[in-house]
Amino acid sequence: ILNVEQSPQSLHVQEGDSTNFTCSFPSSNFYALHWYRWETAKSPEALFVMTLNGDEKKKGRISATLNTKEGYSYLYIKGSQPEDSATYLCAAWASGGYQKVTFGTGTKLQVIP
Amino acid sequence: NAGVTQTPKFQVLKTGQSMTLQCAQDMNHEYMSWYRQDPGMGLRLIHYSVGAGITDQGEVPNGYNVSRSTTEDFPLRLLSAAPSQTSVYFCASSYFPRGTYEQYFGPGTRLTVT
Repeated sequence: ILNVEQSPQSLHVQEGDSTNFTCSFPSSNFYALHWYRWETAKSPEALFVMTLNGDEKKKGRISATLNTKEGYSYLYIKGSQPEDSATYLCAAWASGGYQKVTFGTGTKLQVIP
Repeated sequence: NAGVTQTPKFQVLKTGQSMTLQCAQDMNHEYMSWYRQDPGMGLRLIHYSVGAGITDQGEVPNGYNVSRSTTEDFPLRLLSAAPSQTSVYFCASSYFPRGTYEQYFGPGTRLTVT
């Protein structure tokens, strides 16, 4: 089981601010990293799937980077909007099969209008 | 497509009762899995399946059984419920395009065991 950590646990930002959070994972045996957006009372929804060192993905105002050598990924939100309020989860897969997945505990983002 | 569906949405059981949480997907995905979500912890894998007729244990399998007789369905059975199984349960289905998994989650079942 991997040790996947996310920071911060929660944060509040003003509408229009940009923000970022971190997912840390063991760099050995790395296979893939997923980011999910999880709104209250809904199910996690995939944002990005990242596999290669140096990967950068973007979807609208949200982007993510991956550093597999040092074992971290950043998620950035530019110009936060109230609808961005959600918990952002990362999940790291190690080599060895579908069961080698560990989820972080998430970063809960609240965007204040 | 309905995606991944789960029933029931909510359930209250007494200690020792048994029940089955249902999960179905209509995306023809090979992989299906069950997770539980507990406060302060990440989603933890209970059981998973890599195809019809094939199941295996995840991180926290004790107290749960699964079967996969069809590609579409992956029920989770609690044989004798315990308060420690109070949790929110998520089913997910996945496929494997481009060398990595893409996961789709169901809406969850909130289970309380008294």
